[in-house]
Amino acid sequence: EAGVAQSPRYKIIEKRQSVAFWCNPISGHATLYWYQQILGQGPKLLIQFQNNGVVDDSQLPKDRFSAERLKGVDSTLKIQPAKLEDSAVYLCASSLDLGPYSGNTIYFGEGSWLTVV
Amino acid sequence: LAKTTQPISMDSYEGQEVNITCSHNNIATNDYITWYQQFPSQGPRFIIQGYKTKVTNEVASLFIPADRKSSTLSLPRVSLSDTAVYYCLVAYGGATNKLIFGTGTLLAVQP
Repeated sequence: EAGVAQSPRYKIIEKRQSVAFWCNPISGHATLYWYQQILGQGPKLLIQFQNNGVVDDSQLPKDRFSAERLKGVDSTLKIQPAKLEDSAVYLCASSLDLGPYSGNTIYFGEGSWLTVV
Repeated sequence: LAKTTQPISMDSYEGQEVNITCSHNNIATNDYITWYQQFPSQGPRFIIQGYKTKVTNEVASLFIPADRKSSTLSLPRVSLSDTAVYYCLVAYGGATNKLIFGTGTLLAVQP
C-alpha cells in the first residue's frame, strides 16, 4: 500500500517569498492533516480536513498560511510571505474517518523541509 | 489546557527493555494514545495505539493505568536501530477535542 506522498522534499527560499507544498494522502483516507515541526519539537497541527471541509485550523497563521483540499483528495499548503521562523518540516498525514478519535491511525509522509533565509 | 509531557532523553543498552512514559491530563475512558518513532529526516512512524489497560503488538506494548494520567510505551530488547525520538499523541475528546503530541523522548541505545 502506497504511503502519504509529499513534494518537494526540500526547499530553500528567501524571506518574503512564497512557497507551496503538495500532499497526496493514502487512498481512501478521508482525513488529511498538515503539521509543522520545528527542529527539536513535536509536530504541531496546522490544519485538519475531513474530505473537503476544514475540521480544525485554530493554529494556522491565516495571515500568511493557506491550505486547500480540492475534490477531497490532494492538498496544497501555501506560505506567503514567508518569515524566518517558518523554517521547519511540514508534515502531511492522513487517516480513515476521524483518526484516533475513532481508533484509526494517523500515517505521516516523509515531510517537506523548508529553510527560509 | 491539555498538556502532554515526556522525559527529554533516555539511555539504554542493547537487549534491555525500555519504558517511556507520557504524562497527560486524565483522559476519558475512550480517548486513544498513539506512539510514534521518528528518525532524523523522516516523518513519524506508527508503533502502537490503544485506549485500554494494555495493548501489545509484535514490536511494543502500551500500558495505561487506571487513573489514566499517563501512559507507557514498552520496547522489549532494544537494539541500536531503535535509537530515535519517540512521541506520544493523545486524542483528547470531549470539550477539549484536540490531537496533541508529547514533547518527545530521545532514546539512545548503546552497544
